[in-house]
Amino acid sequence: DVKVTQSSRYLVKRTGEKVFLECVQDMDHENMFWYRQDPGLGLRLIYFSYDVKMKEKGDIPEGYSVSREKKERFSLILESASTNQTSMYLCASSPAVKGGSSYNEQFFGPGTRLTVL
Amino acid sequence: AQRVTQPEKLLSVFKGAPVELKCNYSYSGSPELFWYVQYSRQRLQLLLRHISRESIKGFTADLNKGETSFHLKKPFAQEEDSAMYYCALFRTASKLTFGTGTRLQVTL
Repeated sequence: DVKVTQSSRYLVKRTGEKVFLECVQDMDHENMFWYRQDPGLGLRLIYFSYDVKMKEKGDIPEGYSVSREKKERFSLILESASTNQTSMYLCASSPAVKGGSSYNEQFFGPGTRLTVL
Repeated sequence: AQRVTQPEKLLSVFKGAPVELKCNYSYSGSPELFWYVQYSRQRLQLLLRHISRESIKGFTADLNKGETSFHLKKPFAQEEDSAMYYCALFRTASKLTFGTGTRLQVTL
């Protein structure tokens, strides 16, 4: 059973703080993703990593950075948190595309609800 | 540009009534589409993909390239179907574009 865990379910931070959101997967997946989930906006991709130390900007990377030093761990960093970063953050992982398959299912973590005051 | 549109934020139906959650997409190539579901206090999970042409929990979805649609249907709604449903379009390199989601509420 694929397990994606996120370090916190709820987090409250102050404007200007540096925030770290951690995600760990135990299925040796190559791909990892960070999304934010907002009512009326759906899921939007922040960053994507397809291998250790490899990252790619998603649709809304501004104000965020990421780190992937180990295959199982993908961190999202808010360098200076702002109130408009209050959101639900979802991490996901998937195996790399191989052979004839063009897409593999993404497995999601439980989410971290971040509030920036 | 790739886009997924789910026109309804909320769909409320009675138990036993048919359900249709709408999804339209824009994509220049050959699309691969999916439905993801999030039940209350549970993780987002894959419900079905068009390429499998399967029925999961009584739900089906047919890709209509002429209408650029991938509507999710179920003939008889159950209470346990109440959830948030997201339509998603495959992009390059394992990435997805998600729609804004539709909350399905099944009432007695």
